[in-house]
Amino acid sequence: GESVGLHLPTLSVQEGDNSIINCAYSNSASDYFIWYKQESGKGPQFIIDIRSNMDKRQGQRVTVLLNKTVKHLSLQIAATQPGDSAVYFCAERGRGSTLGRLYFGRGTQLTVWP
Amino acid sequence: DADVTQTPRNRITKTGKRIMLECSQTKGHDRMYWYRQDPGLGLRLIYYSFDVKDINKGEISDGYSVSRQAQAKFSLSLESAIPNQTALYFCATSDPTGNYNEQFFGPGTRLTVL
Repeated sequence: GESVGLHLPTLSVQEGDNSIINCAYSNSASDYFIWYKQESGKGPQFIIDIRSNMDKRQGQRVTVLLNKTVKHLSLQIAATQPGDSAVYFCAERGRGSTLGRLYFGRGTQLTVWP
Repeated sequence: DADVTQTPRNRITKTGKRIMLECSQTKGHDRMYWYRQDPGLGLRLIYYSFDVKDINKGEISDGYSVSRQAQAKFSLSLESAIPNQTALYFCATSDPTGNYNEQFFGPGTRLTVL
């Protein structure tokens, strides 16, 4: 089955700096990798996804990088703001009999301090 | 108004009691999911339903059952609650005609089993 994990459980950055959140995955067959953000007391919220045939995808202030050689996924947040403080989850999408299912990692707590 | 609602938001119960958690959505999505979140373990899928007549087990379905009463309603039951089912439970929806990877989560139900 799929297995998604994170390098670091916590990350602290100063407001205005760039943040990099990392994720390792084990299932090379996944066709999509996804990032979710969970603010305190709320449900997770979709941020951005990347197809497995891509290396990089940019959104608003966020960039996701995919390195299939080492099975590594990262989320970069530019000019981190206090509102970015949250738990960030990477996830991979199942294929075949598990199509439509998402497999989540354990999360990284990002704290932004002034 | 919230698109995905969960009731109750908090529940404390005793071992052996039957508990039902309810989820309603106004997004018109066919797909609905129940997840469990434990500290440091991310989100784990309990059950999911791709339409009213479809129910599928997820990673951790033992001890749980579900009912899809209508497109908009998906209930999770614990037939005989036990303390290790103490967790935060999330309902989510997705639209297969939209972004396959974006799931919309409710605010969560915090369940404590004594």
